Order: sequence, then structure tokens, then C-alpha cells
Amino acid sequence: DIVMTQSPDSLAVSLGERATINCKSSQSLLSRSTNKNYLAWYQQKAGQPPKLLLYWASARHSGVPDRFSGSGSETDFTLTISSLQAEDVAVYFCQQYHSTPRTFGQGTKLEIK
Amino acid sequence: DVQLVESGGGLVQPGGSLTLSCSVSGFVISNDNMHWVRQAPGKGLEYVAAIDKSGITFHGDSARGRFTISRDTSKNSLFLQMTSLRPEDTAIYYCVRGSLYFDIWGQGTLVTVSS
Repeated sequence: DIVMTQSPDSLAVSLGERATINCKSSQSLLSRSTNKNYLAWYQQKAGQPPKLLLYWASARHSGVPDRFSGSGSETDFTLTISSLQAEDVAVYFCQQYHSTPRTFGQGTKLEIK
Repeated sequence: DVQLVESGGGLVQPGGSLTLSCSVSGFVISNDNMHWVRQAPGKGLEYVAAIDKSGITFHGDSARGRFTISRDTSKNSLFLQMTSLRPEDTAIYYCVRGSLYFDIWGQGTLVTVSS
């Protein structure tokens, strides 16, 4: 199974500042045939199910604000929130869909400083 | 409107059985891969099982031999039969759509395994 490791486990950022979450996979998530990275990011607010934010490492899902962006390739990926808003307080998970089982990172809890 | 609604959770004793259901509206489940993902209280997300468009199933390590994923295309519903339940199976169980990434999640149903 592919192991996904996020850092940090928790993060406190001031409103309007940048938040950066890292995700590392134990195997490359880059498909040579499609030249795409099979990596998604999810946001989970308290008491709610996760919601898809980004897929293909950097493509924003419908309705996701453009302050959310993703980067990286192969085994190292980053989720960036350019200007933190109060409604961004949540736990963020990365997930690989390169192979089954679809494994998740352990989550990063984002709070307001 | 696309919607996944889970049901069937509850309190069950260790060693007991439970069947979860996921009623789907807004799309045809046989046109997509469907999954069960669980989340223990205060913990992360764990992949449980999947059934692909052709009906081929996959069960994760924690589910293999005890849980069975299935679907009823006439009812457009997904199921998870769980047997030999353990306290560590206590979690919210989410029904999820996703041929690749997971774009639609249900609200989840809570399963508590305790005596």
C-alpha cells in the first residue's frame, strides 16, 4: 500500500496570512502514460464529511475558491491557502488514487492564530 | 441533485453484525466506482471497501474476511455487511462516489461497537 505522510500535524496561521501543508507519498503518484499526478486534497470541517478541494494535485474542484492551490509532483506535494479566512478552519487530508487501496494522509488541523 | 444517504448504523455488541445501506440519487451507481470510508472518533480517514463499475470488489485489510461490499442496481443502493465486529470498528462510515478522486460523500452513519 502507498503510505501518505502529511506535515505538520497541526498549524496555526493568522487571518490573511499564507498556510502551507505538505504531503509526501511512499511511491511516485505520477503516471507516465497520462503525465498526471494522482493526488487529491480534501477539507473536513467539524461535524461534516470531507469535501473535495483539489484533484490531479492542482486542479480545483467546482466552487473551490482560488485562494486554494496545489503543487508538487511524483512524491512531494503542497496545499497552499494564499490568504487564510475564518471559514478555512478545518482538517485537511491528502489522498492518492494512483492505486488501490486509496490511502489518505493522517490529516493536518488548521487553526487561526 | 446528487445525494448519498447512509443508514443502518447504531450500537452493536462485540462479535455482532450490522448492515449499512447507502441510498443514491442523482446518478446511476453502476456508472461509477463506489466506496466505503470510515473515520474513528477524532481520527483520520481509513479506506474500507470498494466496488467498481463492473461489480468487482476490493476490501481493505481491516475489512477483509469480515465485511462485504455489495450493490443493488435496481435500488441504486450500496451496502456494507459487517460481521464479527470489534470495538476498533467504531467509526463514522461514509459512502463515497469516485472513479478516481472522491467527489461526492454522504453525511455518514455512526457505528458503535461496545458491550
